[in-house]
Amino acid sequence: DGGITQSPKYLFRKEGQNVTLSCEQNLNHDAMYWYRQDPGQGLRLIYYSQIVNDFQKGDIAEGYSVSREKKESFPLTVTSAQKNPTAFYLCASTTIGVSYGYTFGSGTRLTVV
Amino acid sequence: GESVGLHLPTLSVQEGDNSIINCAYSNSASDYFIWYKQESGKGPQFIIDIRSNMDKRQGQRVTVLLNKTVKHLSLQIAATQPGDSAVYFCAENIAIQTGANNLFFGTGTRLTVIP
Repeated sequence: DGGITQSPKYLFRKEGQNVTLSCEQNLNHDAMYWYRQDPGQGLRLIYYSQIVNDFQKGDIAEGYSVSREKKESFPLTVTSAQKNPTAFYLCASTTIGVSYGYTFGSGTRLTVV
Repeated sequence: GESVGLHLPTLSVQEGDNSIINCAYSNSASDYFIWYKQESGKGPQFIIDIRSNMDKRQGQRVTVLLNKTVKHLSLQIAATQPGDSAVYFCAENIAIQTGANNLFFGTGTRLTVIP
């Protein structure tokens, strides 16, 4: 079945540590996105990528980094510069050229310990 | 960016009643709208969509209405069931100049179904 897979489902980070969240899709989608969701709040865009080896900052990119070496993969690194990383992280993908919805992964819950 | 707002942050309905969730949008250039359902601890799931050349679209137990005159979108759920309890997001698509699709999400409405 085609879909978008995020891993791990739960992740714990120590203070000052970098962690990487995985996002893989087999939908042949061009664009991929990372969102952050805090409790009781909506989705805030961190980074997005329309094409391999290119990506753009979203509204809250500080303290995060991404790469897009393959069309299928868009990993997100939460760096030690992100002072409040505890949140639910969602990855999404879509096609380009036609207005279309996003397909979301099941999310990764990151907690600082 | 454009804001997509919801009139009510929470909504409680009796099981079996109809639910109506409202959403306001501000960009007249928005060409596509989607409703997502998000259950606790899960990613948003597509419910129904509508393009700007339509006023109404029906799915299974769900109907989306689009009023472009007042920039208003609504989701109607018929015969609401306990499994409908979730947060519902509306999203508008504004095709930017680069051709990428970018959805702008509202903050969501939490629907609680009372048995």
